[in-house]
Amino acid sequence: EPEVTQTPSHQVTQMGQEVILRCVPISNHLYFYWYRQILGQKVEFLVSFYNNEISEKSEIFDDQFSVERPDGSNFTLKIRSTKLEDSAMYFCASSGADQETQYFGPGTRLLVL
Amino acid sequence: AQKVTQAQTEISVVEKEDVTLDCVYETRDTTYYLFWYKQPPSGELVFLIRRNSFDEQNEISGRYSWNFQKSTSSFNFTITASQVVDSAVYFCALIRDTGFQKLVFGTGTRLLVSP
Repeated sequence: EPEVTQTPSHQVTQMGQEVILRCVPISNHLYFYWYRQILGQKVEFLVSFYNNEISEKSEIFDDQFSVERPDGSNFTLKIRSTKLEDSAMYFCASSGADQETQYFGPGTRLLVL
Repeated sequence: AQKVTQAQTEISVVEKEDVTLDCVYETRDTTYYLFWYKQPPSGELVFLIRRNSFDEQNEISGRYSWNFQKSTSSFNFTITASQVVDSAVYFCALIRDTGFQKLVFGTGTRLLVSP
């Protein structure tokens, strides 16, 4: 069964450093998303992406964040200058043409020191 | 604005007990979808079910069943004869049917099933 994959599974970085989180969505899906979950809290929407552009973003998704689909398979989230409060689990998700169900990857746990 | 409330923070049961996880939602949309996701200790989010706002029929899948009641804006999830492997955090979520869609999650209910 097709699944969303994410790399790395864990990342530790120093405050102020740039990180890139990578995702490979399900191959025939058209809509891509990033969510984050701060430890013990609920899952929060960051951004959605369709047709090579951002379709919606939340207040969390400020200028420090960017997304890209550099090729036909990868979907990346970049945090330009990490802050302590960026420590969280980051989930990538994708959905098909009907957008009805989003399938999530296993997450990348980011720790900013 | 859309909102999902899961008032039960944590529930503890003994194996084989039945347990119901509550979910109450708010939305101004007439068409929407409701979801349940499971987050086991390993951390991933596993899709369990999707329900659209026009289909109020209850659904059963093995030991899992879902009760959708539009009149009370609730979408409750029951696990029959719980097992230790059911221990996880369960999230209820809502998505609108129009435009670009984002899932709005509740705060989750942690279910602990002990042997």
